[in-house]
This record gives sequence, structure tokens and C-alpha cells, in this order.
Amino acid sequence: DVKVTQSSRYLVKRTGEKVFLECVQDMDHENMFWYRQDPGLGLRLIYFSYDVKMKEKGDIPEGYSVSREKKERFSLILESASTNQTSMYLCASSQAGQGGNEQFFGPGTRLTVL
Amino acid sequence: RKEVEQDPGPFNVPEGATVAFNCTYSNSASQSFFWYRQDCRKEPKLLMSVYSSGNEDGRFTAQLNRASQYISLLIRDSKLSDSATYLCVVNTNAGKSTFGDGTTLTVKP
Repeated sequence: DVKVTQSSRYLVKRTGEKVFLECVQDMDHENMFWYRQDPGLGLRLIYFSYDVKMKEKGDIPEGYSVSREKKERFSLILESASTNQTSMYLCASSQAGQGGNEQFFGPGTRLTVL
Repeated sequence: RKEVEQDPGPFNVPEGATVAFNCTYSNSASQSFFWYRQDCRKEPKLLMSVYSSGNEDGRFTAQLNRASQYISLLIRDSKLSDSATYLCVVNTNAGKSTFGDGTTLTVKP
């Protein structure tokens, strides 16, 4: 069964802390994505990666960075967390392919920044 | 204007009803199209891909109109279990996905 796992379901951090969100997929997918989901704003793409050590900015990359050192793992980093980064964070992966393929999502991490 | 726009609803329908959702997209270079379903407090999951010729999966029918840049999802004979948020997704050739904000459906007994 395909699986995308995220390191935490719930996380509470303080303003200014450095936050790491980890995502691991076991499907040997080339593509991995980080989204945030907020009421009324839908899913917004933060960063994505087509291959190890490659990354591309999404629609809202400000305040975030990513790391992909291994194919199965894609990390989202909040260098200095702020209250407006309180959100649900969803990781996804997909096979490579022109036009894109089905994305498989992890269960999400609900991050609260106090 | 958003790249992908959906009517947010909510749609409240009785069991057995037929309901249709529409989604418009602005990027004419978009390559592939999907409908995802998201249950409350769960992650999105693929419902079906959308092809130019239209496609059907049981009670669900998806259609694409490239000229008018919209896609649709039709649900026939609604079930209580169809209650969810339905997300329209549009991909560019580079594989980047843009999600609509979702349309919420509640099917009532």
C-alpha cells in the first residue's frame, strides 16, 4: 500500500523557533511537494522537488526552505517561525511524467505558532 | 483572479439527487486535470482524472472543455458517503499543480 508519512500530526512552536517538518514516501516517487492549507485559501504550493537535491519555488515560498538529500525524504524548514505560519501542512509525492500524475498525500501536520 | 476557481458551495442535497460542480482555469497551457476528494480532517485523495473525451467511473462523470477552460464533475444518485469537499486540480506541463479552493457537498437523508 502506498504511503506518505509526516513526522508529526500536531506541533506547537514559539515565534522565532526553527521548525523542521519531515516527509517520507515509500513509493520511489521522483516528485515531492509541500503545501499549506488554510480555510478560505485552499491548498497553496510552497515548494516542490523533481529529484534529489533539486527544488523549485511554489506560489508562497517566503519564510520557508526545503531540503531533499534522499529521494524518499523531503523536509520543510521554517527558519524563524511566525504566527502567520500557523496552518495545516501537507506533503505529497507523485511519479514523474509530463503534465503530472496522481499525488499521494500524507496525513498532514497541524502547526501552531504561538 | 485565481488560476483555478470553484464555486465554494456549500451544496446541500438530498440522497439520490444529481449534483454538478464546475471549475474554471486561466492557464491555457494546462496539461492535465483531476478531481480530488477531501474528507473532514483528512488528506486529499484522487477521485478521478479528467480526459478530453470525458470519463465515467460509476456514479461519477468528469468532463473537460479546453476551449472554455473548464472542467466539471457530475455525481448521480448521491449517497450520504459522498459528503466531502471536492477539489479541482490543474497541472501545467512542468508538473506543477494548482488546486481550487474546493466545493463542499453535504448529502442529507
